[in-house]
Amino acid sequence: LAKTTQPISMDSYEGQEVNITCSHNNIATNDYITWYQQFPSQGPRFIIQGYKTKVTNEVASLFIPADRKSSTLSLPRVSLSDTAVYYCLVGGAGGYNKLIFGAGTRLAVHP
Amino acid sequence: KAGVTQTPRYLIKTRGQQVTLSCSPISGHRSVSWYQQTPGQGLQFLFEYFSETQRNKGNFPGRFSGRQFSNSRSEMNVSTLELGDSALYLCASSPRRVQDYGYTFGSGTRLTVV
Repeated sequence: LAKTTQPISMDSYEGQEVNITCSHNNIATNDYITWYQQFPSQGPRFIIQGYKTKVTNEVASLFIPADRKSSTLSLPRVSLSDTAVYYCLVGGAGGYNKLIFGAGTRLAVHP
Repeated sequence: KAGVTQTPRYLIKTRGQQVTLSCSPISGHRSVSWYQQTPGQGLQFLFEYFSETQRNKGNFPGRFSGRQFSNSRSEMNVSTLELGDSALYLCASSPRRVQDYGYTFGSGTRLTVV
């Protein structure tokens, strides 16, 4: 499974756009890129998943360049409730059943 | 629809005892995975079950075991508890097409070993 590298922590202010970049140089051809959010004492929550180019849902966007060696999670107009740890994971879908979590990025949103 | 349910939410055990944790996946999800989360090691994969069969196993000692029932509910057991087993134990279930919805995690069981 491809290893991922993310910043340990980030700070932002309410209303700003936050971009968290994840490096995954050894991503395999059939690997998907998935992001999870975790609040203290809760299980991780699925945010978004993509394979290439751009994916957008109601909470975030995921940008994946053509070489797929990195990806960027974009959170528009963050609020205090977005303060959490964000994990980037890569792996194959459809039978991929073992998530390897890195240290994640601890995002702190300030008033 | 109901989410992933883990019971109990909190547990305090003594060293040497054994413990059983329970997980009820989302209806229709046949894959159930277990993870251990500690401040020092982060989130680590324990094992995954699909249709009552263990498909994948993490790097944990044999004291950690699990099983899945025909209704997809799963249990994990830790025998001869050690202080280092104190952690948040998380269960996750997934649909057939993981790429559509990812994994859904429960809120976890907080185990404290004293």
